Amino acid sequence: SYVLTQTPSASVAPGQTARIICGGNNIGGKSVNWYQQGPGQAPVLVVYDDDDRPSGIPERFSGSNSENTATLTISRVEAGDEADYYCQVWDSRSDQWVFGGGTKLTVL
Amino acid sequence: QVQLVESGGHLVKPGGSLRLSCAASGFIFGDYYMSWIRQAPGKGLEWVSYISHSSGHTNYADSVKGRFTISRDNAKNSLYLQMNSLRAEDTAVYYCARGVVTFNQFDYWGQGTLVTVSS
Repeated sequence: SYVLTQTPSASVAPGQTARIICGGNNIGGKSVNWYQQGPGQAPVLVVYDDDDRPSGIPERFSGSNSENTATLTISRVEAGDEADYYCQVWDSRSDQWVFGGGTKLTVL
Repeated sequence: QVQLVESGGHLVKPGGSLRLSCAASGFIFGDYYMSWIRQAPGKGLEWVSYISHSSGHTNYADSVKGRFTISRDNAKNSLYLQMNSLRAEDTAVYYCARGVVTFNQFDYWGQGTLVTVSS
């Protein structure tokens, strides 16, 4: 089955840029979605189809996807961005949805 | 506004059964596919099951295939997950989520219901 790989943790100072990586075999050929999950909260969709934002998500959140790596970029990081972030794709071969293992973002 | 409210989670013994429900409101339920997604304590998200808008197509994660059954009642705006032969590793918060066919994203999630499998 398709596998998505994320670095377990990342840290960034307030005001800086955070980049969260999601690796997968030829992931550039798939649509990647990203979710933010605060402590004790349900996940929230922050980026879909690689680089689109749902309404209400700040422009500070952006995404890119190419070859074997997808990236969620958070600009001008704020304390409230501290959360777990998950990438997700749909695997057409198995008709199953796949999540990465998650990256815990710490704002220093 | 879109709301998804799960219920039915509680403590159950290994080998037991449980039925989860998800009540939907604020949108035309029958226009969307739905999924169950779970999260074991301290772990990441795991997709569990999917059902098409008309119930004509379902699919399951390998870890639950043959033990779990997803269903829906569009007249009642409700989604269900029948869980049989439960194992300790099924212990998790179970979320229902609305799926969007264009890019297979989950745009709305419930707050989850906790299932604990323990003797």
